[in-house]
Amino acid sequence: RKEVEQDPGPFNVPEGATVAFNCTYSNSASQSFFWYRQDCRKEPKLLMSVYSSGNEDGRFTAQLNRASQYISLLIRDSKLSDSATYLCVVNRGVNFGNEKLTFGTGTRLTIIP
Amino acid sequence: EPEVTQTPSHQVTQMGQEVILRCVPISNHLYFYWYRQILGQKVEFLVSFYNNEISEKSEIFDDQFSVERPDGSNFTLKIRSTKLEDSAMYFCASSAGLAGAYEQYFGPGTRLTVT
Repeated sequence: RKEVEQDPGPFNVPEGATVAFNCTYSNSASQSFFWYRQDCRKEPKLLMSVYSSGNEDGRFTAQLNRASQYISLLIRDSKLSDSATYLCVVNRGVNFGNEKLTFGTGTRLTIIP
Repeated sequence: EPEVTQTPSHQVTQMGQEVILRCVPISNHLYFYWYRQILGQKVEFLVSFYNNEISEKSEIFDDQFSVERPDGSNFTLKIRSTKLEDSAMYFCASSAGLAGAYEQYFGPGTRLTVT
């Protein structure tokens, strides 16, 4: 089983629609979870951290289900500028000094005008 | 807004040559990382660095690789004898490492092309 698994897409979604991404992780000891976005040939940019209680930032909502080892990202009222690859990222521990990030392969999203 | 910077943006080198990739992490951050991304593949961890020593390294980070913090601001990745398969985007990242502030922020990357 892959450490972090995502549907690679592509997702082609009309502007204004709601789109949901899912991700599963294999290491039950993982403690920290993130969504990054990556534009073509650019660096990963932190979109949001994911907390057990779920969290929302504007049009973006992230959820974590530790029992199922499942993370989700919901984008509402999608904009053309949301077109990017969305990376599910897991950090295995709370010893934040030496904790590597493990990336999924990413889900490619294209918003269609 | 503070950001991680990297130089050069693109480096072309011949197989067997040494390259040094440079990074300036965010100024009050304590933890530094190198990742790489081969074209079309996922981002992979190479090494983490704290308090002037390596905290963890992956199996990719073999004896050809080394990291250094030569002064108070720069963080470098050296590849001693480049191979064709070292061609990739190399990202530097840093994190504050404080409780509740362990998010990692990435630089724009150096595209390394080995010919």
